Amino acid sequence: EVQVVESGGDLVLPGGSLRLSCTISGFTFNRFYMAWVRQAPGKGPEWVATIRYDGSVTYYVGSVEGRFTISRDNAQKSLYLQINSLRVEDTGVYYCVRILGQKYGSIWHNWFDPWGQGTLVTVSS
Amino acid sequence: AIQMTQSPSSLSASVGDRVTITCRASQDIGNNLGWYQQKPGKAPKVLIYGASNLQSGVPSRFSGSGSGTHFTLTISSLRPEDIAIYYCLHDYNYPWTFGPGTKVEIK
Repeated sequence: EVQVVESGGDLVLPGGSLRLSCTISGFTFNRFYMAWVRQAPGKGPEWVATIRYDGSVTYYVGSVEGRFTISRDNAQKSLYLQINSLRVEDTGVYYCVRILGQKYGSIWHNWFDPWGQGTLVTVSS
Repeated sequence: AIQMTQSPSSLSASVGDRVTITCRASQDIGNNLGWYQQKPGKAPKVLIYGASNLQSGVPSRFSGSGSGTHFTLTISSLRPEDIAIYYCLHDYNYPWTFGPGTKVEIK
């Protein structure tokens, strides 16, 4: 069974740091792009960051650029998100997701599957 | 960044009804559009990718159409288990952005 399991969420003070982890099973980790998606309480999901299958390329949403770092350890089949300088607005459930893709001509179509159960990050004083 | 909008923000329909949700992009995104279903307390789940491709295991009553800036998700015959919030997501370029969601309820 294809599965992703997140961990590391916690209650932290504004300005604090946290490292989220995601362990995978059921698929060949080093063949897939991976991403983190977060969801603030009562809000829709927000894509946060993506990392290439070999870790050589990363992308971030503007609001986390310079504060968040996505990384991976293919030997350990693990994905990470280092979160620094936490803000109240970073509060939410953080999901680890695999990115699947299919090529149509010269265009790639991508989607997130599966999603984990998420890990809750609460930033509050 | 490309902005995504959805309409309606919520709807109430009867079991068996045909339901249509619209998603619009602020610029041409080709067919780089997916639809996700999120049930209460659960993670989102992909239904459609590439605007019209049904994800494996998703019931055939779900379908997607559109290209460019205008997309639709249709549930051909609403069932009680379809109660959820539905989000569109573009993957045309980074940052990928979700729409604000459409809440579907049973009348």
